[in-house]
Formats: sequence, structure tokens, C-alpha cells
Amino acid sequence: QQQVKQSPQSLIVQKGGISIINCAYENTAFDYFPWYQQFPGKGPALLIAIRPDVSEKKEGRFTISFNKSAKQFSLHIMDSQPGDSATYFCAASNQGGSEKLVFGKGMKLTVNP
Amino acid sequence: DAGVTQSPTHLIKTRGQQVTLRCSPKSGHDTVSWYQQALGQGPQFIFQYYEEEERQRGNFPDRFSGHQFPNYSSELNVNALLLGDSALYLCASSGSTSGNYEQFFGPGTRLTVL
Repeated sequence: QQQVKQSPQSLIVQKGGISIINCAYENTAFDYFPWYQQFPGKGPALLIAIRPDVSEKKEGRFTISFNKSAKQFSLHIMDSQPGDSATYFCAASNQGGSEKLVFGKGMKLTVNP
Repeated sequence: DAGVTQSPTHLIKTRGQQVTLRCSPKSGHDTVSWYQQALGQGPQFIFQYYEEEERQRGNFPDRFSGHQFPNYSSELNVNALLLGDSALYLCASSGSTSGNYEQFFGPGTRLTVL
């Protein structure tokens, strides 16, 4: 049972464009939703996270939008750069993030120069 | 401030062997979680250790076991290795005292089972 569904599986954008990654979850007990960025051969790096008491959170070029009623959240990368080319994972957790992270399958982003 | 460190970086074993992977958490963190990441997939939770006890466990057989030491470092042991155990094993640490449970990952150990 996949509790966090991520789409699309891959995305190609031009430099300066907007990259959008969507995730949907099933477990209404989830209350912490982080996004991780992973480069080949490296561990995932925490980008930004949101809790259900807010609908949007922005950090630099990265914005999370959260829709509690639809059980969906998304990551927007503004002004995408070639250095953003990586695999992005959404995740979800209970108890404010103190419990296990349940990950989506990931999305490979390619930003062309 | 050193982040999460893992050793070894790479490991090659044969079927039936046993392996031990090691993790040192980020300074100030007391909780260690282990994940298995197969090629092209998202990380899958194995288990989490806090106060030297296994606090939560994912859907992995008991061939997978772990330990946490008083200094919060941790080991993951896998017995009777199968070809399907080939993966990137990730350790993540988090701190319970601040109330911020963000999990920070190490670089992983790439295990190849032949």
C-alpha cells in the first residue's frame, strides 16, 4: 500500500522555468510533510517542510502549497536552474515528524540550460 | 558541525553473509532511523532507535536488526543476505529535545550482494 503518491515521475524544464511536483497522501494522521532533494550517490537533503496548520510556506525559490481537505501538497521551484537537476521526494510523517517518514517514489527533474 | 556520517561507503558481500553498517548522528541528535533505498525508488523505513531501544519498525524481516549505543551512534545488521538486499542504506538522525523532529540523512552505504 503506497501511502504517499508522487507525480510526475520525471520532468524536464528550461532554465528560468517553474517546476511543479505533486503529492497526495491517504493517512489523515500525517501532520508533517517534508520535501527532500537527492543528487546521484548522495543522501537525501531536507529542502523545506510544512505542517497542516498553514496552507503555504516559502523559502527562497522553493514553495510548498498544502491542501488539507484534498490531502494533497505540492512543491514549486521558481526560476529553475541547471543545479536544481536532481531527484525530489515528498514524504509524510505522524507526531510532528518524530515517527517514520513515508516517502513517495520520487521525481527526476532535469533543468536544461 | 559534522553532519550524519556513515561507514563504510561501499560494501560488497555474497549471499548468505552478514553485514554491519554504522552511523553517527548529527551533533545534538538522539534519535536514529534507518532506511533502505532500492535503485530508482524512495527510501523505505526499516526502524528507529531512541534511548537505545527500537521505538518503531517498518515492514522488514527480523534478519534486519539494529542497536543504538549510549553515545547515540547506531548499527544496522543484516543476516543471511539475499540478492534483493542490494540497496543504498541510509541513516537519518533527529533531535527530540527541541521539539523539531527534522530528519537529516547521511550519505548512505551502498551494499551490493552477489
